[in-house]
Amino acid sequence: EVQLVESGGGSVQPGGSLRLSCAASGFSFSTYWMSWVRQAPGKGLEWVANIKQDGSEKYYVDSVKGRFTISRDNAKNSLYLQMNSLRAEDTAVYYCTTNVYGSHDHWGKGTLVTVSS
Amino acid sequence: QSALTQPPSASGSPGQSVTISCTGTSSDVGGYNYVSWYQQHPGKAPKLMIYEVTKRPSGVPDRFSGSKSGNTASLTVSGLQTEDEADYYCYSYAGSNNFVFGTGTKVTVL
Repeated sequence: EVQLVESGGGSVQPGGSLRLSCAASGFSFSTYWMSWVRQAPGKGLEWVANIKQDGSEKYYVDSVKGRFTISRDNAKNSLYLQMNSLRAEDTAVYYCTTNVYGSHDHWGKGTLVTVSS
Repeated sequence: QSALTQPPSASGSPGQSVTISCTGTSSDVGGYNYVSWYQQHPGKAPKLMIYEVTKRPSGVPDRFSGSKSGNTASLTVSGLQTEDEADYYCYSYAGSNNFVFGTGTKVTVL
């Protein structure tokens, strides 16, 4: 059974940093593109970033470029999102997903990031 | 990249059909066959229902179907059941390694 478990969320002040982690199990992690998707409270879904199987390609939504970095460790079956210069508008539940055929076929339960002074 | 346009709400009685539209442009929905649909119940993670416009993942009932015409994709839920009451989001590749979700539609089973 595919399992994706996010961690690392919490409360942070504007301008601060957080590192999210996603522990993957039940599938061959190193053979999948992976993604982060977020959802602000009461709002819709927003794609945040993708990373290729070997980490050689990474893509971001414009609003996080230069502030967020997606990475992975295939030896540890783990996906990460380093978030710097956080803003109030980054407040959201962040989901880790597998990415196949341009779609997100498996999702974690999410981790909440709150940016507030 | 602007969000794809979906109606805020849709409804139907049990057993009826409901169709949700997802309107984009020739740069996203109209330009690629990478449109997918997600169902989200309150407080839960989204679930993939349709990928590549028309394909259903294993385990998704065949009551769910997808289609596309021009710049508009559609999700049809036939034989509505109470458990189909949820939010639904479309998603599309938008070129240049960008992706965009729709604005979301709340489906109510009357």
